[in-house]
Amino acid sequence: GAGVSQSPSNKVTEKGKDVELRCDPISGHTALYWYRQSLGQGLEFLIYFQGNSAPDKSGLPSDRFSAERTGGSVSTLTIQRTQQEDSAVYLCASSLQLTQGSGNTIYFGEGSWLTVV
Amino acid sequence: AQSVTQLGSHVSVSEGALVLLRCNYSSSVPPYLFWYVQYPNQGLQLLLKYTTGATLVKGINGFEAEFKKSETSFHLTKPSAHMSDAAEYFCAVSAGNTPLVFGKGTRLSVIA
Repeated sequence: GAGVSQSPSNKVTEKGKDVELRCDPISGHTALYWYRQSLGQGLEFLIYFQGNSAPDKSGLPSDRFSAERTGGSVSTLTIQRTQQEDSAVYLCASSLQLTQGSGNTIYFGEGSWLTVV
Repeated sequence: AQSVTQLGSHVSVSEGALVLLRCNYSSSVPPYLFWYVQYPNQGLQLLLKYTTGATLVKGINGFEAEFKKSETSFHLTKPSAHMSDAAEYFCAVSAGNTPLVFGKGTRLSVIA
């Protein structure tokens, strides 16, 4: 597609429910990232995928968070047993490759706004 | 590991005045530096980036930033603020083969 597409754009869920957030990166981009943006906290790195390599999960805040990327394209971020502190905007991004030094830009989607009540 | 500090969570300037948003970084290797802008209810858009070469980098919408290694800084400037510049600005650093590490952002308000 023309840009990074995320769905849903808004999600309200009850505490304890599981949620899935979807990201469709720019066609041909091999690197895909998930970030979390909380009010006043900037952007927190969660996980990235690069081609067929094992994902870097070092930013995931707890084992309730997981992500997968099928066929090297679409990615799903899953949050199990949601808590109120999970409320945030979840941003997906993609780039041609991970190495920023080569000049490749990371392109962001508009985010999925998650509210846990 | 890399880190970014943005001085000032909120900056207000008058229309037509100089915009200066401060960013200091920490990196154990030569950094790659970025400024992104986020307009209300939108995703992040790249303003400019420094990878190698010229230390004064020009970006979109009249913004520029200068990489100063001695000061570990990458401050963002614009000579004359427009109302349309009101947004959240994020500085970010990468080691080149790592995901971007972002600062906490600076909200810019432009007063008529």
